Amino acid sequence: DTGVSQNPRHKITKRGQNVTFRCDPISEHNRLYWYRQTLGQGPEFLTYFQNEAQLEKSRLLSDRFSAERPKGSFSTLEIQRTEQGDSAMYLCASSFGREGAVLFFGSGTQLSVL
Amino acid sequence: AQTVTQSQPEMSVQEAETVTLSCTYDTSENNYYLFWYKQPPSRQMILVIRQEAYKQQNATENRFSVNFQKAAKSFSLKISDSQLGDTAMYFCAFMNRAGNQFYFGTGTSLTVIP
Repeated sequence: DTGVSQNPRHKITKRGQNVTFRCDPISEHNRLYWYRQTLGQGPEFLTYFQNEAQLEKSRLLSDRFSAERPKGSFSTLEIQRTEQGDSAMYLCASSFGREGAVLFFGSGTQLSVL
Repeated sequence: AQTVTQSQPEMSVQEAETVTLSCTYDTSENNYYLFWYKQPPSRQMILVIRQEAYKQQNATENRFSVNFQKAAKSFSLKISDSQLGDTAMYFCAFMNRAGNQFYFGTGTSLTVIP
């Protein structure tokens, strides 16, 4: 399978705990995006990487959220001190680094904060 | 900031009929890219069609075509010969030239009725 891979598929945690999600993009894709999606809504942009550089961050990405992409390969999204409002699907996408390149999405990580 | 608006939260169509989903967007840029993505109940985001703003010709992919009106900032999706497998959420999306801004609309839930 050479698509975008996200792990875990599901995560259940208690309020106040920290969680980390991983995204493995399609190899040779140097652009990587994170989105958050609640049921019945469109994906909301969180952050964008070009190679290892985080070039764009949404105001939705509060100080409890941090994303990294060491060496420009896989990426991690960490949420500290989770809140019930963080419950959502977290989607990762990747694309080639050329103008107009299509985004390919992973299957997402569904987070439930109890 | 770019915004994408989908004014039809829900739509339905009889199998084999044609349906059009609406999308408008706001941008000050002249060159950009527009997309329609489909998200079935599995929640896997799948590309339907892509349009380059500097091309006047409307994009077509088999049963899917768009009506791109650049001056009106309108980008509607027409699905011909609707099939049961077309039942899904459909999202319109905007991407700037640099690729660091990729925003979705709120989506239209389409149901194909047998």
